[in-house]
Amino acid sequence: GAVVSQHPSRVICKSGTSVKIECRSLDFQATTMFWYRQFPKQSLMLMATSNEGSKATYEQGVEKDKFLINHASLTLSTLTVTSAHPEDSSFYICSARDHTGTGNSPLHFGNGTRLTVT
Amino acid sequence: EDKVVQSPLSLVVHEGDTVTLNCSYEVTNFRSLLWYKQEKKAPTFLFMLTSSGIEKKSGRLSSILDKKELFSILNITATQTGDSAIYLCAVPFAGNMLTFGGGTRLMVKP
Repeated sequence: GAVVSQHPSRVICKSGTSVKIECRSLDFQATTMFWYRQFPKQSLMLMATSNEGSKATYEQGVEKDKFLINHASLTLSTLTVTSAHPEDSSFYICSARDHTGTGNSPLHFGNGTRLTVT
Repeated sequence: EDKVVQSPLSLVVHEGDTVTLNCSYEVTNFRSLLWYKQEKKAPTFLFMLTSSGIEKKSGRLSSILDKKELFSILNITATQTGDSAIYLCAVPFAGNMLTFGGGTRLMVKP
């Protein structure tokens, strides 16, 4: 089945530094990928939609200058948390759907990245 | 506004019990409803439902959709400790984007 690889799985960084998270579709092409954030014991919250070759679409309340998204190819999207602060500590998950599939094919998720900002 | 609501928020049962998780939705241009199971990391796909009244089954898990009443249920029979997880219901809108419910945290005690 379709596989989405997310890297790194865990990262600890100091406040003020930037962290890049990669999301790759391994056996399919994805024109669109999605980035979610999840706080402890809460559901997934959509942060932004990453579109290959164009600008990402951010959800209300998500700072685009802080969470930089780049979707340079049909198999790779990156999320960069810039000037990270402790409140950015969270679990970040990406997802993608095979763009050649039917409109009803399910999204496949990466395994997530747990970011801890000290 | 599109929304997905799950209930209960949490549930504690003992092994062997049967549980029913609920998901109601209000979404324009409904196409499908998905159930995911999330343990320690990312959600894993369980079911996709598109048609009313047709039960989907996988082992001890089953799910059904009622498009008239705008809800779905996920049943787990003969629960095991390995069923302990957060169960997420989601509905796609505006193309591929998923709106997630708040999830139901299930704990199965030995």
